[in-house]
Amino acid sequence: EAGVAQSPRYKIIEKRQSVAFWCNPISGHATLYWYQQILGQGPKLLIQFQNNGVVDDSQLPKDRFSAERLKGVDSTLKIQPAKLEDSAVYLCASSGSGRARRYNEQFFGPGTRLTVL
Amino acid sequence: KQEVTQIPAALSVPEGENLVLNCSFTDSAIYNLQWFRQDPGKGLTSLLLIQSSQREQTSGRLNASLDKSSGRSTLYIAASQPGDSATYLCAVRDNYGQNFVFGPGTRLSALP
Repeated sequence: EAGVAQSPRYKIIEKRQSVAFWCNPISGHATLYWYQQILGQGPKLLIQFQNNGVVDDSQLPKDRFSAERLKGVDSTLKIQPAKLEDSAVYLCASSGSGRARRYNEQFFGPGTRLTVL
Repeated sequence: KQEVTQIPAALSVPEGENLVLNCSFTDSAIYNLQWFRQDPGKGLTSLLLIQSSQREQTSGRLNASLDKSSGRSTLYIAASQPGDSATYLCAVRDNYGQNFVFGPGTRLSALP
């Protein structure tokens, strides 16, 4: 079974520029998550989708960050304009849906390391 | 608001030793708890998931326990190997929302 795919793996931009990240979840997974992980910290949830609807975006800085999940499959996360403090690893994860134990486990992609200069 | 802490922040053990990693959470109304491993520059690999109704889960040399009432989980690694060197994170999903709250992780160095 293919895992969660993310691209690009690395991105270097200057502040005030725009950047977009792409995620393809595990086939059939209804729930998709975007996390921000700053060096030395645990991941922080930015946004969670259930199919193509937003479940939780309470920690997403909406003045500069946006995300969409068209057709309930792939997702893109965009930052516009980027700030120095946005330098982090952006992780995408997916999980199935339902109450059975096997649906609750999150599976992560390799992440995109963003450096803002 | 759920808060998750992990102690210690870093740990070095000689090869072959057994070790315990700790995870504490402030709100005991959790749905489940998941332990992950993260290698440098990589994403997270799921190790074990414990539902709120369970006390422990085992996978190979790993055993995770859950004490909801005291807000604690431990990850026990038997007979550590150099390949176990990584950062170990715990994440808690609460009953109110759908998302996970992560701890900061414990960085393990298993020395040969």
